[in-house]
Amino acid sequence: KQEVTQIPAALSVPEGENLVLNCSFTDSAIYNLQWFRQDPGKGLTSLLLIQSSQREQTSGRLNASLDKSSGRSTLYIAASQPGDSATYLCAVFTGANSKLTFGKGITLSVRP
Amino acid sequence: EAQVTQNPRYLITVTGKKLTVTCSQNMNHEYMSWYRQDPGLGLRQIYYSMNVEVTDKGDVPEGYKVSRKEKRNFPLILESPSPNQTSLYFCASSFNRDANIQYFGAGTRLSVL
Repeated sequence: KQEVTQIPAALSVPEGENLVLNCSFTDSAIYNLQWFRQDPGKGLTSLLLIQSSQREQTSGRLNASLDKSSGRSTLYIAASQPGDSATYLCAVFTGANSKLTFGKGITLSVRP
Repeated sequence: EAQVTQNPRYLITVTGKKLTVTCSQNMNHEYMSWYRQDPGLGLRQIYYSMNVEVTDKGDVPEGYKVSRKEKRNFPLILESPSPNQTSLYFCASSFNRDANIQYFGAGTRLSVL
């Protein structure tokens, strides 16, 4: 059974800091990995999607990497801003059972 | 605008009173799914559908039903709601089941008294 772990559960940083959010998964037989952002009381917004054959994806100040063999992904946020404060979730799609398995998320607070 | 629409956004009901949460997408997506989100447990998949008339159980299907009669709609049915189904529910869709971005609805907050 696929398990996705995100540690720590919460993180507080000062504005301007570069930061890395980690995600690990137990079964490397994945189709893809996605990073989502969730604002309080809102739905999830997909930030980056990395296919199993890819190593990384970039969008603006965000960069996500994938090491499938070791079961790890990182989301790098450059020059963090207060507007980046949200919960960040990673999820892996396991094609064998068409299932998206989520981590519990990292709640990020960027202090002005 | 491409979107996944859930209704209602908020619902308070009583134990045993059947309810339906609707989900509709306008992107011609084949794959749709339902999740519930609970504190400390994260998001867990309830049911998914790979296409019209094709549905399957996720991790926590007990107490829920779904149907997929049309490609755009994927309603979640609680035949006899119980308090342990109080949760935040999300519908999601993607072009197909493989290697595609998942689009999420805004969520339905359900309270069962």
